[in-house]
Formats: sequence, structure tokens, C-alpha cells
Amino acid sequence: DTAVSQTPKYLVTQMGNDKSIKCEQNLGHDTMYWYKQDSKKFLKIMFSYNNKELIINETVPNRFSPKSPDKAHLNLHINSLELGDSAVYFCASSPSPWDVPYGYTFGSGTRLTVV
Amino acid sequence: QKEVEQNSGPLSVPEGAIASLNCTYSDRGSQSFFWYRQYSGKSPELIMSIYSNGDKEDGRFTAQLNKASQYVSLLIRDSQPSDSATYLCAVKVRRSGGYNKLIFGAGTRLAVHP
Repeated sequence: DTAVSQTPKYLVTQMGNDKSIKCEQNLGHDTMYWYKQDSKKFLKIMFSYNNKELIINETVPNRFSPKSPDKAHLNLHINSLELGDSAVYFCASSPSPWDVPYGYTFGSGTRLTVV
Repeated sequence: QKEVEQNSGPLSVPEGAIASLNCTYSDRGSQSFFWYRQYSGKSPELIMSIYSNGDKEDGRFTAQLNKASQYVSLLIRDSQPSDSATYLCAVKVRRSGGYNKLIFGAGTRLAVHP
């Protein structure tokens, strides 16, 4: 049983297109996250939702819009894709946004390539 | 200054040696610290967490924390070729609203050669 699953695993698309990435977790966690890992492997937080409420919104272009229909699902929609959006996008989850001792559990990632 | 800093490496060690990975952080209020391992093309995997000053051991891994120096390290004893990966240091920082978020360093690439 996969704890945090993302689809699709690979996404190749043309500039200007709109695409979505889906994430689901079966850990019973309240909090989910989107991270972006660029070509230099730097992992940067983008958004966080706690029980369907947006709680962290980093400096991300408004072409990126997260949505959480319930606490087990977090999707990421990207409009008007640009070359610079090419990266690996990771979904992650944790028990709560206030806890101190727990790390995050990551999904397998979605490699987005914009051509 | 970056919030979490690591030497990008590569750190090359012979099989059986001790690999020492270091990390510094800028937020003095940080309370919890994590080491993730990431194999090429895979997702980050949590291998160690530490919250108190001192050492914490788990098998071949030892995490060390010095809050006064804002320094975290990971020691891997008896290094194996299968330990070759990028090791990410992560620090949990508190932001407005009381929410915590995990900030990562850029990672140190470890290569263990036979």
C-alpha cells in the first residue's frame, strides 16, 4: 500500500498548456504539501493545506493553484506552463502543521518537462 | 544567508569508512531536525530525526545536534556502496500562525567507492 501516491509520474507538455498533478495519502494525516525540486536538486516548499484549508502559500506565481477536496487529497493545477516550470514536483504529508517531532512523508514525485 | 546550508559535495569515501555530513541552519528557534536520503530519480526518504542536543544513534547512522552552534551532522559508519545518494538536511521552522514548515538544504552527494 502506497502511503503518498502521485499521478502522473511523468508529464511532458508544451509551453502555454495547462496541466494538473494529483496526490492522495492514506496515512490519515491532516496536512499535505507541495514541494518543487529544481535541476540542482533544491527542494522548496510551495503550498500547504491543513484539513482542506490553505495555510502556507510561498512566493509562487499565481499560475499555480492548489486544491484540496478533502484532507486525503491535494491537487496542483498549473496554467500557461513555462520552460522554467520544468522540475520534479513532490507531494508530502504530515500528521499536523503544529507538530514538532514528525518529518514529512513524500510521494514518488511527478517529473514535469515543458518543451 | 540560506536558511539551511550544506556542502554540495561530492563527498567520496571508501567502503567501510565513516562518512560525515554537515549542516548549519539560521533560525535559532528551530526545534526539530531531520536527515533524508534521496537516491537518483527517487523521492526523499526520512532516515533520522533529532530534537535535543547531543547524539542519537540508529544502526549505522548517528545524528548530532548542537543548537548553540546551529549545527547538525550525520555520521554513517561502515559506509556501503548502497549508501551512495544525496543526503538532505531539513529543519522545521515556525512561521506566522504557529504553523511549522520543513526547510531543506541543497543536499550533499555521497559516493562510497569499493
